[in-house]
Amino acid sequence: QKEVEQNSGPLSVPEGAIASLNCTYSDRVSQSFFWYRQYSGKSPELIMSIYSNGDKEDGRFTAQLNKASQYVSLLIRDSQPSDSATYLCAVNMYYGGSQGNLIFGKGTKLSVKP
Amino acid sequence: SQTIHQWPATLVQPVGSPLSLECTVEGTSNPNLYWYRQAAGRGLQLLFYSVGIGQISSEVPQNLSASRPQDRQFILSSKKLLLSDSGFYLCAWSSLHEQYFGPGTRLTVT
Repeated sequence: QKEVEQNSGPLSVPEGAIASLNCTYSDRVSQSFFWYRQYSGKSPELIMSIYSNGDKEDGRFTAQLNKASQYVSLLIRDSQPSDSATYLCAVNMYYGGSQGNLIFGKGTKLSVKP
Repeated sequence: SQTIHQWPATLVQPVGSPLSLECTVEGTSNPNLYWYRQAAGRGLQLLFYSVGIGQISSEVPQNLSASRPQDRQFILSSKKLLLSDSGFYLCAWSSLHEQYFGPGTRLTVT
């Protein structure tokens, strides 16, 4: 069973702090990793993609990937109340060399307190 | 730029009634298309995906079906809705690796 695991939260951080969201996945051959942000009642919005080990930064967001540990994380610096949302981790798991489909975690709910 | 549309935005249907949800994509050609369902308090469940016109793969056996009559059109259907079909239905497209979601249809079966 191919799985993507996230803590459901809620994760509560004060405004201006760093929010750290974590995700583990079960399939060692996974090659593409994504973070989506979903506001209540809205559809998921892609905010980060990462394909190789290490860090990838985009504005206040940093995605970190460690394939050996099967772990991907998202850091949000200078958290704002507008960052309050559910964050979904998604992993593209390949089957026999052909592109597979995204497997989503159930999401971590982040609350940023003013 | 690419745009994805879904309609209707909300829908309330009685048990046993038919369903048709439509998704269209603009600004890209030959996209992969996907239908997901997100039930309350649960994760995203992939229902169908399509790599081309008339090519549909089903991930979960159920009373739903999908069709792709045109390159950028994806339709989700049911002949008879069940209470368990309630949820937030999301269409998505991808060209290479990244998937982008439409605004979704919130379906309530009563």
